[in-house]
This record gives sequence, structure tokens and C-alpha cells, in this order.
Amino acid sequence: AQSVTQLDSHVSVSEGTPVLLRCNYSSSYSPSLFWYVQHPNKGLQLLLKYTSAATLVKGINGFEAEFKKSETSFHLTKPSAHMSDAAEYFCVVSEDSYSGGGADGLTFGKGTHLIIQP
Amino acid sequence: DAGVTQSPTHLIKTRGQHVTLRCSPISGHKSVSWYQQVLGQGPQFIFQYYEKEERGRGNFPDRFSARQFPNYSSELNVNALLLGDSALYLCASSLAPTYEQYFGPGTRLTVT
Repeated sequence: AQSVTQLDSHVSVSEGTPVLLRCNYSSSYSPSLFWYVQHPNKGLQLLLKYTSAATLVKGINGFEAEFKKSETSFHLTKPSAHMSDAAEYFCVVSEDSYSGGGADGLTFGKGTHLIIQP
Repeated sequence: DAGVTQSPTHLIKTRGQHVTLRCSPISGHKSVSWYQQVLGQGPQFIFQYYEKEERGRGNFPDRFSARQFPNYSSELNVNALLLGDSALYLCASSLAPTYEQYFGPGTRLTVT
């Protein structure tokens, strides 16, 4: 069975400073990993995904994440935070090597609330 | 292009009642998945349908059921509502089960 642990429920940074959201995963197989963002009253949006290609994955809006198998981690980073980045971020794992979650669906972490201070 | 649409946006039900939530996938998408997001938690997988057949089911009681129609839209039904069923219900569509999922804005269900 797969699982995801997001190590921080809340992260607060100042605008213009780096962002680090931490995620550890557990999976029996070679997983696919994702980061989704959820803004208030809006649907979940895919930021980036890892599906066994390059371990450093670049996503939208300047975000990137590095897959580290030895540490079972998939941390999300951004060099410079913007006020519009304030949202809920979810780390997600899928057992299959594709993006859809297959018959077991996607497994979400509990989320990290990112706060941007002006 | 229109994204995934869900209806209604909000609804309030009483314990013991039944509810039906609806989802229209992106045009061309044949797979629909349903997730439940309780306040303060991440979404939890309920069902996946593909070509009108159930392809996957999460750890939810039999009070939860779903179906997919020939036009690939889907309904999620919940019987005998409990207070704990209060949540945001998300629908996601994809070309097929192994492809990227696109999420709708959700239906906020409140059970009183």
C-alpha cells in the first residue's frame, strides 16, 4: 500500500524568499509522484509530476521538485515566493507508473498550507 | 475548452437522507474518478469509472455508489447520510485511468 506524509501542516515565508514544502512517501512499487495546488473555491491544479524520468522535475509557476529514492522524498521548492502562491499544497502518490492512479486512485497527503507574508 | 463541471455547487441535507452529485468530464475524457475531501484533510479516493464500468473502489461503505452514463458523465449517490459525510466531493476526469486527472471545483455537502 502507498502512503504520503507531508511533514509540515503550515509553512509561512516572506514574499521573495525561497519556499520548501516537504513530502515523504511509501510505496511498494516504482511510484508516480505529484504535487497539486488548491486555491480557495477552486479545483485542484497539477503543479508537476514525476513518472520515472528525470529526477528533477520542473512545473508551472516556477516550482520544481526532486525525487530522491534513497530518502523516499519528493520535496517541492520555489526560489522566490509570490503572494499568489498562498494556497494549500498536496503531495500525491500513485502506485502505477502513469499519472491516473489506476484502480487504486491517487493517494493524497494531508496538505501543507502555504502562507506568504508581505 | 470547458473543464470538469460539477453540480450542484453546494447543498445541505439532513441525516438519513439521500444525495446525488453530478459530474461532466472534459470532452473526450472517458474516465471519471470521485474523491471525498473532509475539511482539513487531503482528498480520499472513492470510485473510478471507465467506459461505464467500475474500475476501482476506495475504502468507503456500501452507502456510496456511482455510475457512468453513455456520454461519460457520472453520478455519485450517497444513501442514509451521516454527519461525517459532510465534505467537499471532487470529480476528476481523464482520457483513461492511467492518464493525468483533471479536477472539477467540487460539490460542498453539509449534513445537519
